[in-house]
Amino acid sequence: QKEVEQDPGPLSVPEGAIVSLNCTYSNSAFQYFMWYRQYSRKGPELLMYTYSSGNKEDGRFTAQVDKSSKYISLFIRDSQPSDSATYLCAMTATGTASKLTFGTGTRLQVTL
Amino acid sequence: GAVVSQHPSWVICKSGTSVKIECRSLDFQATTMFWYRQFPKQSLMLMATSNEGSKATYEQGVEKDKFLINHASLTLSTLTVTSAHPEDSSFYICSATGLAGGSYNEQFFGPGTRLTVL
Repeated sequence: QKEVEQDPGPLSVPEGAIVSLNCTYSNSAFQYFMWYRQYSRKGPELLMYTYSSGNKEDGRFTAQVDKSSKYISLFIRDSQPSDSATYLCAMTATGTASKLTFGTGTRLQVTL
Repeated sequence: GAVVSQHPSWVICKSGTSVKIECRSLDFQATTMFWYRQFPKQSLMLMATSNEGSKATYEQGVEKDKFLINHASLTLSTLTVTSAHPEDSSFYICSATGLAGGSYNEQFFGPGTRLTVL
């Protein structure tokens, strides 16, 4: 079993749709949870960061962490074609300057 | 945010040769740099962690004699793939953290280097 599992697989949605991306993990020591966006042939860029359980909103993006269920989510409202990218969840136990464990990524395509 | 560059962005080499990839923090001092490898349609896998002036710490299963990492200054780390073989073909990404990070010490990622070994 992988330490971090990410759902769904490749996703194609129409412009304006709400997108839900999820990760589950097995290591209860994880306390810092990140979502990265990666465009093709580029490095990841940090979208959202959450410490411990709770919700965080930034514009059209909302990150949720449920440590009791070992489950994190990223919601994208009013999705735009520019949101088309691969989204990676990542987590760490000791702070984001430390080793990150990444999910497998979800490739999102937002169509006109 | 802070900027991390990588050079080259794409390299093709013959089997058996060595390839050096540079990772630079352009506008901050990177006390720690990380090297990741990403295969097509897969996630990033951490290869090693390097702190300026210290030997790199390699993840289990990563050959330290094959992937040589040097972090000689606060703005530069290099990854040398020695005696490269086709199975080493991958996307190599570095990240850096240090004095430019936010309150949670964000890692800033480089744009990656695509290595193709013929």
